[in-house]
Amino acid sequence: AQSVTQPDIHITVSEGASLELRCNYSYGATPYLFWYVQSPGQGLQLLLKYFSGDTLVQGIKGFEAEFKRSQSSFNLRKPSVHCSDAAEYFCAVGEEGGGNKLTFGTGTQLKVEL
Amino acid sequence: DAGVTQSPTHLIKTRGQQVTLRCSPISGHKSVSWYQQVLGQGPQFIFQYYEKEERGRGNFPDRFSARQFPNYSSELNVNALLLGDSALYLCASSQEGNQPQHFGDGTRLSIL
Repeated sequence: AQSVTQPDIHITVSEGASLELRCNYSYGATPYLFWYVQSPGQGLQLLLKYFSGDTLVQGIKGFEAEFKRSQSSFNLRKPSVHCSDAAEYFCAVGEEGGGNKLTFGTGTQLKVEL
Repeated sequence: DAGVTQSPTHLIKTRGQQVTLRCSPISGHKSVSWYQQVLGQGPQFIFQYYEKEERGRGNFPDRFSARQFPNYSSELNVNALLLGDSALYLCASSQEGNQPQHFGDGTRLSIL
């Protein structure tokens, strides 16, 4: 069965510093991978997705992620974090043939210090 | 265009009661999925409906049921509520196939 691991429960970075959130997945075939962000009391907003092709994908709000098949990873990065980026971030894998059944990780809570 | 809308926003029930949650997908989206998010965890897949037919079911008891209407809106029903059903229930819609899902803001269900 597919699974997603986000090893870091909490991360704190200074405003302006770079950010990398880790995500490892377990999946038998070519995965459909997603990063979502959730602000308190709200739903999930899609940051970016990987279906195939270029392994470096660009998303909204200046985020990017790199798919590394050899490491079963899909880490999220941002070169310079803003205080508005403080939120919870979820990595998810979708079943082959459709992204409709998503399996999520437990999330990483990002805190940004001024 | 409006995003995914869910109602109600908040709901308080007592153990043993039944609840119905509603979801309207983005216009043109034919697939609706439901997720349960317990505090401090990632969302867990409950159901997916496409063109009014159930396409997937997660590991939830039969107390959970859902349906999709001809206008692609959907309802999630939970019977015999338990304290452990307290969670944020999220609805997501997508067009079809491998299209990414767009989530609503959820219904916060509290069981007393």
